[in-house]
Amino acid sequence: GAVVSQHPSRVICKSGTSVKIECRSLDFQATTMFWYRQFPKQSLMLMATSNEGSKATYEQGVEKDKFLINHASLTLSTLTVTSAHPEDSSFYICSAVRVAGPIFGPGTRLTVL
Amino acid sequence: QQQVKQSPQSLIVQKGGISIINCAYENTAFDYFPWYQQFPGKGPALLIAIRPDVSEKKEGRFTISFNKSAKQFSLHIMDSQPGDSATYFCAASMYDTGNQFYFGTGTSLTVIP
Repeated sequence: GAVVSQHPSRVICKSGTSVKIECRSLDFQATTMFWYRQFPKQSLMLMATSNEGSKATYEQGVEKDKFLINHASLTLSTLTVTSAHPEDSSFYICSAVRVAGPIFGPGTRLTVL
Repeated sequence: QQQVKQSPQSLIVQKGGISIINCAYENTAFDYFPWYQQFPGKGPALLIAIRPDVSEKKEGRFTISFNKSAKQFSLHIMDSQPGDSATYFCAASMYDTGNQFYFGTGTSLTVIP
C-alpha cells in the first residue's frame, strides 16, 4: 500500500545549526504535502502546506524564513529548520495528499541542544 | 480557535470494556471525519473514517457514530485490549481544501489488563 517515509527519524543537533527533514511519498505522487509539528502529549499543529513547483503556504505564526519548505518533485518535500534553537525541539510530521485521503509519515524527532 | 473539540483528554478502561471518545465541530462545511491512532514516537495512522451521509460506520471492534444535527461524532472501541493503548485523534476536513485536516486535541487511552 501507499507509504510516506521521513528521514531522518531522529536528529540531535547543536543550537545554531540547520536541519533538513525529508518527506517522501512511496508508490504514489503527491502534489500537496502538509507539515505538522507536535509537542509532547499535544495535538498536531499544521505548520505549512507544501505544493509541488510553487511556494509553500504557511499558517499564521509560523516563520517562513525559519522553516524553509521545498517541494521539488511529486514525491519529495523537505523542511529545513534554519538556525535551530532548543525551542524548535519537537516532533515533525508530514502528510502526503492522495485521493483516498492523506497518509502520514512516521515523524522526525528533533532535539536541539 | 480549535475547530474540532475532543474529550476526554485521557481515558482508562479495563480490558474487555468499551472505550468512548467524543468530538464536536462547528464548521458545517466539513465533510470527512477520520479517526487516527498514534503510538509514541510514531506518526498518526488512519483507523476509521465517516462521511456525513451515514450515521454509523463499523470496522471490526471500532465504530464511529455521527450526529449531523448535533455536529458531533464519536469513536467506540468494543472489547478494548491493552494493545489499543495509544493516543486517538479525531479530525475533520473539507475536500475542497486538499485534505487539510483539523485535528482534535487527542485522547490518551490506557487499557488495563
